[in-house]
Parts: sequence; C-alpha cells; structure tokens
Amino acid sequence: ELKVEQNPLFLSMQEGKNYTIYCNYSTTSDRLYWYRQDPGKSLESLFVLLSNGAVKQEGRLMASLDTKARLSTLHITAAVHDLSATYFCAVVIEDFGNEKLTFGTGTRLTIIP
Amino acid sequence: GAGVSQSPRYKVTKRGQDVALRCDPISGHVSLYWYRQALGQGPEFLTYFNYEAQQDKSGLPNDRFSAERPEGSISTLTIQRTEQRDSAMYRCASSLGTGINQPQHFGDGTRLSIL
Repeated sequence: ELKVEQNPLFLSMQEGKNYTIYCNYSTTSDRLYWYRQDPGKSLESLFVLLSNGAVKQEGRLMASLDTKARLSTLHITAAVHDLSATYFCAVVIEDFGNEKLTFGTGTRLTIIP
Repeated sequence: GAGVSQSPRYKVTKRGQDVALRCDPISGHVSLYWYRQALGQGPEFLTYFNYEAQQDKSGLPNDRFSAERPEGSISTLTIQRTEQRDSAMYRCASSLGTGINQPQHFGDGTRLSIL
C-alpha cells in the first residue's frame, strides 16, 4: 500500500523566513503534484512534477522531485502572510494506463507577521 | 461554467437515507474522480471514470457506495442507507485525461452530514 508522508504537519513561521516542506512516498512513481488548500476552500493546483530532477518555481514557492529518493520538497522563500494555507503533495500511480492520486497528510502553514 | 461544479454544497440527512451527490466536470475533461476528505486530512480516492467507463472503484468503502457517469459528462455518487461514519466532504475532480500530465481540477465539494 502506497504511503505518502509530509513533514512537518504544522508549521508556523515568520514573514521573511525560508523553509522547506518534505513529501516522502513509499513506492515507485515519477509524477507528483503539489496542491494548496485555503480553509473551507477547494484544492488549487500549484505544481506538476513529471520526472526525476524536475524543478518548478512560481513566485516564492519552488518544488522539486527526486524519484530515486522518493522525495519531493516545497521550498518557501521569504514567506509572506498570503502563503498561509495547507499544502498537499499527491503521488501519481499509473496502472495499465489508469492513474490515480494518493495525497499526503498535508502541511498546515501559518505565516506570522 | 469554467470550473468543476458540485451540488448540493451541503447535505444533511438522517441515518438510513440514501443520498446522491452530483458532479459536473469541466467541459471537455475526459477523466472524472471522486474523493472523500475528512477534516484535517488529504483527499482519499474513491473511484474514477474515463468517459463513461468506471476504470477503478477500489477506493469505495463498501457496497453502499456507487457511482455512475452514463453519458461521459455529469457523474453521480450515491450512498445508500447512510451511516454517521459517512459524514465527510466529498470532492469531485476532473482532468483532460490520463497520461496527459495535467493536474486534476477540484470542485468546491459537498459537505455531507449524517444525523
């Protein structure tokens, strides 16, 4: 059974600081997505990582994928309050052309002014 | 509409009743997924369709849960003889298709409460 673990589960950080969220998964996959969820809202796609070594950046967020280590990271640079949300990684498992996502446990990020 | 639309937004019903949750995917999206999300957790896969074909239903908890997408567009998730443990947020997502490397787009969900 695929397990997707994120750490930390909760993160409070001051504005202007840098931090990294980690996503570890237990089986072979070469695709991973990152989503953001604001309280009471739906999930918003942030990044699609499609291969080993993939790196994507958008504003203050940068995501990377190491398929050999089964690890993805989401790095936050110079955090601002607007980044407060819950962040999920989701691993893609493909089976005979069918695919489904297994989500991580989520990291609830709070940016303190 | 531009996004995935789910209805109703909220559903409160008594234990033992049947409920039907509706999902209208983004126009042109081939793949449609159902998830269940408990408070404070990530979405948990239930089932998915390519066009009208149900490709994988391994995540449905038991035989009280079923889903259909008869014309390859709108989908309905039905829960029969509801139990309190069925209370959760049910989310639908759609994508252009499998193997296309495009993310799934999620709807706002249906909050189901079983009394």
